[in-house]
Amino acid sequence: AQTVTQSQPEMSVQEAETVTLSCTYDTSESDYYLFWYKQPPSRQMILVIRQEAYKQQNATENRFSVNFQKAAKSFSLKISDSQLGDAAMYFCAYRRTYTGTASKLTFGTGTRLQVTL
Amino acid sequence: EPEVTQTPSHQVTQMGQEVILRCVPISNHLYFYWYRQILGQKVEFLVSFYNNEISEKSEIFDDQFSVERPDGSNFTLKIRSTKLEDSAMYFCASIRAGNEKLFFGSGTQLSVL
Repeated sequence: AQTVTQSQPEMSVQEAETVTLSCTYDTSESDYYLFWYKQPPSRQMILVIRQEAYKQQNATENRFSVNFQKAAKSFSLKISDSQLGDAAMYFCAYRRTYTGTASKLTFGTGTRLQVTL
Repeated sequence: EPEVTQTPSHQVTQMGQEVILRCVPISNHLYFYWYRQILGQKVEFLVSFYNNEISEKSEIFDDQFSVERPDGSNFTLKIRSTKLEDSAMYFCASIRAGNEKLFFGSGTQLSVL
């Protein structure tokens, strides 16, 4: 079974600084997707960024980028120029590639990010 | 952007009562999911549904749980006899095709007293 591990329960960053959230996963599949979701206090699940495992290039979305290391099964999220609105719980998630039926997401335990002035 | 709609946003019930959580997935989506999140914990998969049948379920999804798509638009999760430990946020999600973006609803907070 696939597992996703987030070893940092809490992180803190100053406004305008950069922070990196860690995620490792375990799978025997060669093709899959990895995601970072943001969950603010409203508890809405917001997709931040997505990475396809077959792509060597790291995904970026504005101030958010990932460092995807397939061999190491590592998928970290870098937030640049942190803003107060980035404060939230961040979940790393894994999903197998579509094989005829869309598979489920497996989530990590989350990292709570605080942004300070 | 299209939305997955969940109602109600909060539901309070007594232990042993039946509850039905409702979701309206995005209209052209084909795959539907329920996830739950106990406060302070990770989001856990409950069940996936495709072509009017369950395609996968977790060990959490026991005989007390059922899902239905009664009219081609709503997707419901029923808990027959609620327990205290069923208290959680329940998220519905849908996707049009396997490799596309998964859309989450805003959740139903279920409190079992």
